[in-house]
Amino acid sequence: NFILTQPHSVSGSPGKTVTISCTRSSGSIASNYVQWYQQRPGSSPTTVIYEDKQRPSGVPDRFSGSIDTSSNSASLTISGLTAEDEADYYCQSYDSRNHEFGGGTRLTVL
Amino acid sequence: EAQLVESGGGLVQPGGSLRLSCVASGVTFSHYSMNWVRQAPGKGLQWVSYIGSGSSVKLYADSVKGRFTVSRDDAQNSLFLQMNSLRVEDTAVYYCARVNSFWSWGQGTLVTVSS
Repeated sequence: NFILTQPHSVSGSPGKTVTISCTRSSGSIASNYVQWYQQRPGSSPTTVIYEDKQRPSGVPDRFSGSIDTSSNSASLTISGLTAEDEADYYCQSYDSRNHEFGGGTRLTVL
Repeated sequence: EAQLVESGGGLVQPGGSLRLSCVASGVTFSHYSMNWVRQAPGKGLQWVSYIGSGSSVKLYADSVKGRFTVSRDDAQNSLFLQMNSLRVEDTAVYYCARVNSFWSWGQGTLVTVSS
């Protein structure tokens, strides 16, 4: 099994840009797609990024995803922060036998 | 509009059993792989189980292997999770999620394991 490590929390002011990292402990980050989920308090998760960098329809282009093989990590970048972006964000990936989630990152919009 | 609705949660004693259901609407259910994911109170997401289309592949997290069984009834557009030998640490909201290009989630059902 592998572990996905995220920072516990990040914060940013309205209009600014934040980046949330997700580091894979073993196996290449590029070997299996990474997804990102947003979960607002009291709600179910929703997908904001799939297949490393794709956005479902309806997700603003302020949300972008990328992977970096040199650091074996994925990143979620949110630009033009708004109050509605305040939520928990989870990365997720898989191998042949398991799906794994990162521990989650609480985004606070100051 | 595609929708997933979970049910079957509730209060059960340690060692007991519970069967969760997830009914899909607005999609051809048989085409899709499905997952169960849980979230303990105040904690993060934890993957529980996966079932491929046609029940071809079934996968489980180590923490539930041998105790939980995933199944599906495509004629009823339904996904199930049979949970046996429940433990206090199984207490969580259980979500089903449909796999297309990306995951679409239900609203969850709460399972509480307590004496």
